[in-house]
Amino acid sequence: DVKVTQSSRYLVKRTGEKVFLECVQDMDHENMFWYRQDPGLGLRLIYFSYDVKMKEKGDIPEGYSVSREKKERFSLILESASTNQTSMYLCASSRRTSGSPRNEQFFGPGTRLTVL
Amino acid sequence: EDKVVQSPLSLVVHEGDTVTLNCSYEVTNFRSLLWYKQEKKAPTFLFMLTSSGIEKKSGRLSSILDKKELFSILNITATQTGDSAVYLCAVVNNDMRFGAGTRLTVKP
Repeated sequence: DVKVTQSSRYLVKRTGEKVFLECVQDMDHENMFWYRQDPGLGLRLIYFSYDVKMKEKGDIPEGYSVSREKKERFSLILESASTNQTSMYLCASSRRTSGSPRNEQFFGPGTRLTVL
Repeated sequence: EDKVVQSPLSLVVHEGDTVTLNCSYEVTNFRSLLWYKQEKKAPTFLFMLTSSGIEKKSGRLSSILDKKELFSILNITATQTGDSAVYLCAVVNNDMRFGAGTRLTVKP
């Protein structure tokens, strides 16, 4: 079974703090994604990565950065956390296929971040 | 602008009922439509639909896509309390866009 893990289930930070959210997958997937999920808005893509050291902006990259130094690990960084970044953050991974890389994504358990 | 709209937003039924969840979309370069089930954790994959009119089935769940009318439905028959979850629809083109989800509550 594909396993995607995230470093924390719940996190509380203060405004202005630097926040690291870590995601690790153990199935050698090429593609990794970071989403945030807010009520009424579904999942919105923040950043994704098709390969090591490669990153692409998603729909809402502002206020976030990412790092992919190793294939199995994709980190989401909030340089200076703000209250509007309080949300559920979900990481996902998928295998590179000849079709769209977004087809079957496997999700981690999520990190609920609260910024005070 | 690409759009994925799910309805209803919320639904409460009793065990044994049959439910139909809707997902309509407006996207360019459509490739596939996916359904996910999300309980108190991460979404889990249910179905991927690429062709019109071909029903995908897994136990009490089934789904079908209509590429002419641009929608998909997810049916759940003989609902159980364990079916209570948020059901997410996502449409894939060069990107992947999720709907807001339908929250299904099944009461005993």
